[in-house]
Amino acid sequence: GAGVSQSPSNKVTEKGKDVELRCDPISGHTALYWYRQSLGQGLEFLIYFQGNSAPDKSGLPSDRFSAERTGGSVSTLTIQRTQQEDSAVYLCASSLVGQGGGYTFGSGTRLTVV
Amino acid sequence: KQEVTQIPAALSVPEGENLVLNCSFTDSAIYNLQWFRQDPGKGLTSLLLIQSSQREQTSGRLNASLDKSSGRSTLYIAASQPGDSATYLCAVPNDYKLSFGAGTTVTVRA
Repeated sequence: GAGVSQSPSNKVTEKGKDVELRCDPISGHTALYWYRQSLGQGLEFLIYFQGNSAPDKSGLPSDRFSAERTGGSVSTLTIQRTQQEDSAVYLCASSLVGQGGGYTFGSGTRLTVV
Repeated sequence: KQEVTQIPAALSVPEGENLVLNCSFTDSAIYNLQWFRQDPGKGLTSLLLIQSSQREQTSGRLNASLDKSSGRSTLYIAASQPGDSATYLCAVPNDYKLSFGAGTTVTVRA
């Protein structure tokens, strides 16, 4: 597509429920990233996918967080047993190559855990 | 580890003034530097991407310079408008991740 698409744009969930956030990157972009931005905070790296390589999961804050990327394209970030501290804007980005190309971000998913 | 700093943290100017936003980074071995704009509660919009071999990039009223040796980049916004009010972030690749500055929040008063 023309840009990085994220869905849903907003999600309100009850504490303890599981949520799935979706990211559809730019066609042909081999690298995909998830970041999190809590209210008033900077961007926190979560996970990185590059082609068929094993993802870098070093930024995932706990084992309640997981992500997958199917067919080298669409990615899903899953948060199990959500907690109030998970409330944030989750941003997805893609790029053509790991470092030489620019990054294109989606408009984000605002997650609110009540 | 790459550290990115943005000064000032906030800026308020009357409409029509030129804006100067500064970004510094500690490791000069960068491939590129990217400037983003973020509106409250929204995603990041890419403004300019400067490759390490370039000294500046221009898009409309925006101009970004890059001095790799000194670890600095400056974003200039000419003839500011109220619609320019947003947070501006600079970012450099750190391995394959992006290291972001904390941003400069700009308010342009009508």
